[in-house]
This record gives sequence, C-alpha cells and structure tokens, in this order.
Amino acid sequence: NFMLTQPHSVSESPGKTVTISCTRSSGSIASNYVQWYQQRPGSSPTTVIYEDNQRPSGVPDRFSGSIDSSSNSASLTISGLKTEDEADYYCQSYDSSNRRVVFGGGTKLTVL
Amino acid sequence: EVQLVESGGGLVKPGGSLRLSCAASGFTFSSYSMNWVRQAPGKGLEWVSSISSSSSYIYYADSVKGRFTISRDNAKNSLYLQMNSLRAEDTAVYYCAKGRYGDYSDAFDIWGQGTMVTVSS
Repeated sequence: NFMLTQPHSVSESPGKTVTISCTRSSGSIASNYVQWYQQRPGSSPTTVIYEDNQRPSGVPDRFSGSIDSSSNSASLTISGLKTEDEADYYCQSYDSSNRRVVFGGGTKLTVL
Repeated sequence: EVQLVESGGGLVKPGGSLRLSCAASGFTFSSYSMNWVRQAPGKGLEWVSSISSSSSYIYYADSVKGRFTISRDNAKNSLYLQMNSLRAEDTAVYYCAKGRYGDYSDAFDIWGQGTMVTVSS
C-alpha cells in the first residue's frame, strides 16, 4: 500500500505559474499512471491530466503534468493562471498490488 | 451525451441501510468497470469500491469492506451500492464514476453529480 501526499494549499496571482506536487510514499511513481482532477466548489471532479501528462480534449494547454522519479513525485503545472482555475486539485494513482485506487489529500488553489 | 445520474441518498440512522443507484447513458455500460467514490463534507475524495464490466472482479476500501456491496445490472445500464451498518463517518457525497477499462479501474473519466448520504440520529 502507498499514499499520495499533496500540499494542503497553494496560492498565486493571475497570469503567474503554479506547480502542485504529489509525492508517492512507497514504490515507484512510474509504476502506475497519475491522474489529476479539478473540483470547483459545488461541482463534481473533472480530469485535467491523465496518464501522467495527457490532457483530455477541452482542457487548455496551460495545464501540464509530469513525473519525477528522483523525488518520486508527480506535478501539475498551471501557467497563465486565471481566476477560473481556483479549485481543489486531486492527484490519483492505482495500486496494482491490491487493485485499489489511491487519491492524494487534495490541494486548494487560490488565485488572488 | 455521456451521463451518470446517482440517486437514493438521504438521511439514515446509525446502523441503518441505504441503497444507492447510478443510471448510465451515452456509452456502452457493459464494456466498462464502474466505481463509487465518496467525499465527506469539507474533506477529500475517497475511493469506495470498484466492479468490473462483467462483475467478475469486485474490490472495496478497507473502511467499507463487509458493510457495503457493489453490484451492477448491465441490462438496465445501472450500478448500485448497498450500504449496511451505516456509521456517522459514512456521511458523504457519493459519486458514481466510470473506469477506463473493463476488468479494472485505474482512473476515472466520467463522474456523476453525486448523491448525499447523511448518517445521523
């Protein structure tokens, strides 16, 4: 079993770039794909990144994902921040040893 | 339009039971694994259970194992969650979510709007 750890909150100004990290506690971050979900207040989650760095159609290219084996972490980077990006962001991966889905604790992004 | 619509939430006393339903449309339901994910008020997302396309493989989070039962009816394009021995800590919005593959769910690409379950005396 492993856990995914995210910062509780981040904040940045409109137009700037922010990066949210997601660190895997054990096992390689590259073992299973990482997804990122955006959840605006009162709404259901939606996918902004899947398979580490792929964007679903309709997600702007301001959103990008990556993994770093040296720090055993994944990152979501949002450039050219807009107020509409203000939301909670969750990383998610899969534990293939027990076939269970794992979520990070979520990061609240404030754009001010 | 691809859509998942949950129903069945409500207020139930501790120790009680509730059955959630999720109606799917706009995709070939019988080809994909399905899941329940919950979110307690003000908290993060928690995966609850997964079921494969043919119901051959079923998995539960430790927090609900032995109390919750996931099932599906491919003829009715519907997913279910039978929740027994409910506790206060089961209070949450319950989301139905579509998996990417038939045999297992490593990620979710479609989410429903959620249904609220409140466990309180």
